[in-house]
Amino acid sequence: EVQLLESGGGLVQPGGSLRLSCAASGFTFNRHGMTWVRQAPGKGLEWVSSISASGGRTYFTDSLKGRFTISRDNSKNTLFLQLNSLRAEDTATYYCAKNNIRDDYRNDYWGQGTLVTVSS
Amino acid sequence: VLTQSPGTLSLSPGERATLSCRASQSVSSNYLAWYQQKPGQAPRLLMYAASTRATGTPDRFSGSGSETDFTLTITRLEPEDFAVYYCQQYDTSPFTFGPGTKVDIK
Repeated sequence: EVQLLESGGGLVQPGGSLRLSCAASGFTFNRHGMTWVRQAPGKGLEWVSSISASGGRTYFTDSLKGRFTISRDNSKNTLFLQLNSLRAEDTATYYCAKNNIRDDYRNDYWGQGTLVTVSS
Repeated sequence: VLTQSPGTLSLSPGERATLSCRASQSVSSNYLAWYQQKPGQAPRLLMYAASTRATGTPDRFSGSGSETDFTLTITRLEPEDFAVYYCQQYDTSPFTFGPGTKVDIK
């Protein structure tokens, strides 16, 4: 059974940093791309970033490039999202999602999300 | 950019729902997915490649379309189908989502 467990969310002041983690199990992690999607309270889904199975290719939404960094540790079956220079508008639930194989970035399984609140 | 219409669809159980997703550029390989999200839950993949049901998706759900115009149809709404539906193109980064269509009970 595929399981994705996000952690690392919490309350952070504007300008602060957080590192989100997503522990994956139930599938061969190093064969699948992975994605982060966020959802502000009461709003729709926003794609944030994806990373290829090997970690060699990363994709970002332009508005977040330079502040957020996606990475993965295939030896530990874990996906990361480093959030820097956080702003109030980054307040959201952050979901990690498993993608299909190769360059097929459909999100076929989702974690339950971790809430990031940016506030002073 | 993906646009979805209508923003809200008010229907009764047993009725047919037709949701539209329009892309500003052609989506190659029909890399278009639909997701369902219920309150307090993570999204769930319903359809991919425009018309292929994901594992566990009931056959009352169907997807169609190509290039820039896509449709999700629910033939007979069940109580558990009242939710928000998002389309997403996963052809070219950024892998954008549409703003969603809320299907609520009339």
